[in-house]
Amino acid sequence: DGGITQSPKYLFRKEGQNVTLSCEQNLNHDAMYWYRQDPGQGLRLIYYSQIVNDFQKGDIAEGYSVSREKKESFPLTVTSAQKNPTAFYLCASSGGSGTGELFFGEGSRLTVL
Amino acid sequence: AQSVTQLDSQVPVFEEAPVELRCNYSSSVSVYLFWYVQYPNQGLQLLLKYLSGSTLVKGINGFEAEFNKSQTSFHLRKPSVHISDTAEYFCALRSGGYQKVTFGTGTKLQVIP
Repeated sequence: DGGITQSPKYLFRKEGQNVTLSCEQNLNHDAMYWYRQDPGQGLRLIYYSQIVNDFQKGDIAEGYSVSREKKESFPLTVTSAQKNPTAFYLCASSGGSGTGELFFGEGSRLTVL
Repeated sequence: AQSVTQLDSQVPVFEEAPVELRCNYSSSVSVYLFWYVQYPNQGLQLLLKYLSGSTLVKGINGFEAEFNKSQTSFHLRKPSVHISDTAEYFCALRSGGYQKVTFGTGTKLQVIP
């Protein structure tokens, strides 16, 4: 079945460590997105990529980095520069129809101790 | 700039009663509008979308929404809710020509037996 796979689902890290969250899709979608979700704040866009080897900052990119070396993959690194990294992270993709409908993964919950 | 406002953070409703979840948006250009549902610790699933044409849009699980351009609203409705509808609901917006999708802060629907 086609879909988006995020891993790991739960992740614990010590303060000051970089962590990388994986996102893989087999929907043949060009665009991919990373959102951060905090209680009461909805989803906030971290980075998005419309094509391989290209990506743009979203609204809260500070302290995060991404790469898009393959169409299927869009990993997110939470760096030690991110002041408050504990959150639920959601990866999404959208196809070429242009409507902006997003397909989401199951999310990764990062807890920094 | 585009924005989405969900005025109600929580909506309690008795089982089999009707419900309306409110969504207002702001955009200077044409819009695509979406409602997504999120169950605990999961990703988001698309309920319905408005792209163009008929202002009354029907989605999955008996939900529908009405696009009102003059009031810049896209309220979600269901005539009779079930316990299984307990979840968080997000309204989202994409303006024409832009890849970014903006989300509201979400409304938690609690169905009371």
